[in-house]
Amino acid sequence: QVQLVESGGGVVQPGRSLRLSCVASGFILSSSGMHWVRQAPGKGLEWVAVTSNDGSTTFYIDSVKGRFTISRDDSKNTVFLEMSSLRVEDTALYYCAKARPGSSFFEPDHWGQGTLVTVSS
Amino acid sequence: EIVLTQSPATLSLSPGERATLSCRASQTVSKYLAWYQQKPAQAPRLLIYGVSNRATGIPARFSGSGSGTDFTLTISSLEPEDFAVYFCQHRANWPPIFTFGPGTKVDIK
Repeated sequence: QVQLVESGGGVVQPGRSLRLSCVASGFILSSSGMHWVRQAPGKGLEWVAVTSNDGSTTFYIDSVKGRFTISRDDSKNTVFLEMSSLRVEDTALYYCAKARPGSSFFEPDHWGQGTLVTVSS
Repeated sequence: EIVLTQSPATLSLSPGERATLSCRASQTVSKYLAWYQQKPAQAPRLLIYGVSNRATGIPARFSGSGSGTDFTLTISSLEPEDFAVYFCQHRANWPPIFTFGPGTKVDIK
């Protein structure tokens, strides 16, 4: 079955960087678009970024453009979210999610359990 | 930028009752309208995609409908496990930017 396991979260000061990882199993990662979605404590869901199945095309929410980079290493079955210039408002549980089959840019259909990022001085 | 609003914010119902959740878009949206269920301390689960298509393994009591700016998720007869928060989500045609609604909490009356 599809499994997505995120890691790399933690407490970081504003302005610093962090890299999240998502290890995928149970499906062919190279055939799937992959998303990152976040959820601030007690709040709703906010989509962050998506990468195409081959990593050649990426899209981001405006608030993270130029600061976050989504990438993938299919040889390691891993998707990354490199986050820099972190802000207090980036504090959230970050979910990795697989795109529904048929297009890299379909909505997420399977989600990991998330990794918590706390940006605080 | 499309904004999604969901109503009501909270829906208090009893098991066996019908739940009708609304999602309204600030402008006419594409067919890429989805619904998710999220229970406390769990990841979201895809229920409906493409306005009205049930995702794999989703029971038939969940159905989606709508067009234009108004969309509905209906749970025909609430089961105890259906009490949760429900989010609608839209994907723009291009670039494929995704937007979530604020959610509707369905709780036990």
